[in-house]
Amino acid sequence: SQTIHQWPATLVQPVGSPLSLECTVEGTSNPNLYWYRQAAGRGLQLLFYSVGIGQISSEVPQNLSASRPQDRQFILSSKKLLLSDSGFYLCAWSALRGSKRNTEAFFGQGTRLTVV
Amino acid sequence: SQKIEQNSEALNIQEGKTATLTCNYTNYSPAYLQWYRQDPGRGPVFLLLIRENEKEKRKERLKVTFDTTLKQSLFHITASQPADSATYLCALGSYSSASKIIFGSGTRLSIRP
Repeated sequence: SQTIHQWPATLVQPVGSPLSLECTVEGTSNPNLYWYRQAAGRGLQLLFYSVGIGQISSEVPQNLSASRPQDRQFILSSKKLLLSDSGFYLCAWSALRGSKRNTEAFFGQGTRLTVV
Repeated sequence: SQKIEQNSEALNIQEGKTATLTCNYTNYSPAYLQWYRQDPGRGPVFLLLIRENEKEKRKERLKVTFDTTLKQSLFHITASQPADSATYLCALGSYSSASKIIFGSGTRLSIRP
């Protein structure tokens, strides 16, 4: 069966420090991968998604970047964190069957990031 | 710009009643629409998917309708229970970008005994 691992669960970082959040998927190949951010009491904002190794689509211009060095690994990074980067970060995967039929998204447990 | 709106931030209803949540979208041609449940501090969990050529989908006490003319989906929970209390999110994917899934802001549903 497929599983998704996201770590760490919580993180407190000072302003100006770098960030690296990692997400890996097991049990499937060539998944679509996503990074979302959720502010307290709000919906999910799509930050990045990837349909293959090295293919990253950025949805929101900001202080973050994403990379997909391996098929089932997705990394969210920042060189210098801002206070506004605080939030709940969620990694997810889905499977594209055929050219148009996407499946549902399966989410990791999330990372609660607090920038102080 | 593309927009997905869930018209209620919060909805409170009594146990046993039917909860109805609304999802509206603009400037979007979705190929499918999904509904998720999210509990506090957890990632969303998929509930139902409905495609643009489908009018209605059911799963146990859940029912989803999809009206592409009105650009609206309704999500119903019948015989609601306190355990149904959670935030419910709708999400859309399009034919032009099938892999991209965007979410609405969610509706926090509370079922009182």
